[in-house]
Amino acid sequence: KAGVTQTPRYLIKTRGQQVTLSCSPISGHRSVSWYQQTPGQGLQFLFEYFSETQRNKGNFPGRFSGRQFSNSRSEMNVSTLELGDSALYLCASSPRLAGGPGNEQFFGPGTRLTVL
Amino acid sequence: AQKITQTQPGMFVQEKEAVTLDCTYDTSDQSYGLFWYKQPSSGEMIFLIYQGSYDEQNATEGRYSLNFQKARKSANLVISASQLGDSAMYFCAMRESNQAGTALIFGKGTTLSVSS
Repeated sequence: KAGVTQTPRYLIKTRGQQVTLSCSPISGHRSVSWYQQTPGQGLQFLFEYFSETQRNKGNFPGRFSGRQFSNSRSEMNVSTLELGDSALYLCASSPRLAGGPGNEQFFGPGTRLTVL
Repeated sequence: AQKITQTQPGMFVQEKEAVTLDCTYDTSDQSYGLFWYKQPSSGEMIFLIYQGSYDEQNATEGRYSLNFQKARKSANLVISASQLGDSAMYFCAMRESNQAGTALIFGKGTTLSVSS
């Protein structure tokens, strides 16, 4: 079974621009979560989508948004980029929304975003 | 308050030795799950092992075992017979049952270096 894929793998943008990142979950997985990883803040949860609906949101400004399509693929958008948005953005998929065994999150390789 | 604490920024071990990576957590929830992930330099987060708060036995997955001490709120990862390929960042994470969705709370991580 193919793993979680993320595109693009690397991205360089300038301040003020916007960016869209894409994530394709493991086949059959309906929950997609996004995390931001920076050296200073570590791994922080951005949001989670399930059945095309945002189910959970972390503590990030409204510049960060996302959506999920009917095939469970998800996109994440960051508008008006700031230098501090430079990070590794990780997408994770899981079969169901609830916690517990058998519902581990499986991560993609990440998109490394650099904002100049 | 920090919910997941990993006190070892870096650990050094020789091949074939066992190593323990520490993780303590803070929660008032009775039902929760604890996870360990490995992140090589490539960036992808690899799921290693899961322990549920109600599981009576410590979880094991191959060379990985989780030393779960509920009263002490600790969930240490034990890697037996270290290999060079084990060199990576290791993250402890928690999911509480009273939260929506599958979002994980991560610790700051421990860098493991295995030498020959």
